[in-house]
Amino acid sequence: DIQMTQSPSSLSASVGDRVTITCQASQDISIYLNWFQQKVGKAPKLLIYDASNLETGVPSRFSGSGSGTDFTFTISSLQPEDIATYYCQQYDNFLPTFGQGTRLEIK
Amino acid sequence: QVQLVESGGGLVKPRGSLRLSCAASGFTFSDYYMSWFRQAPGKGLEWVSSINSNGATIYYGDSVKGRFTISRDNARNSLYLQMNSLRADDTAVYYCARDLQGGAWGQGTLVTVSS
Repeated sequence: DIQMTQSPSSLSASVGDRVTITCQASQDISIYLNWFQQKVGKAPKLLIYDASNLETGVPSRFSGSGSGTDFTFTISSLQPEDIATYYCQQYDNFLPTFGQGTRLEIK
Repeated sequence: QVQLVESGGGLVKPRGSLRLSCAASGFTFSDYYMSWFRQAPGKGLEWVSSINSNGATIYYGDSVKGRFTISRDNARNSLYLQMNSLRADDTAVYYCARDLQGGAWGQGTLVTVSS
């Protein structure tokens, strides 16, 4: 199985801050990397697909980059409604696996 | 809009069985891969199983292989997960999702395995 190492596991930032989360794959996954947002008590929501493509309707303050084994997820200006846990997910081999998640809190 | 509604969760004893259903609407169900994911209480996300559009290609995660069976009925726009030989570590919210990777998710149904 392809292992995904996501960091940090938790993060506290202020409104307006730039926030960055990283994800590293155990092998080359090209661009087959998604980012999900999960708010408390809710189902996950796809934000970024294929490493850098913004899902329809998702605010442009969210972005993703990377290819191969190293990927980055960025919120350019943190908003109060962005409180959530964020997960990366690879789907290179038809056997999706997730990172362990990053819990984002507002300072 | 895409809507996925899971049902069939509940409390079941270890070694018991349960069948989950997912009713899909708002898209052409027969065109899409469909998947099941799960999330144990307080834990992260885990992919469980996926099935291609016509049911001919199926994938399972190692933790459920040989115990769970995914299926679909395109005429009824429905996805199913038959879960047998359930264990305590199968306790989780189970989500139905469109696509292999989960482009849209249902609200989830809780499965609790306990004596």
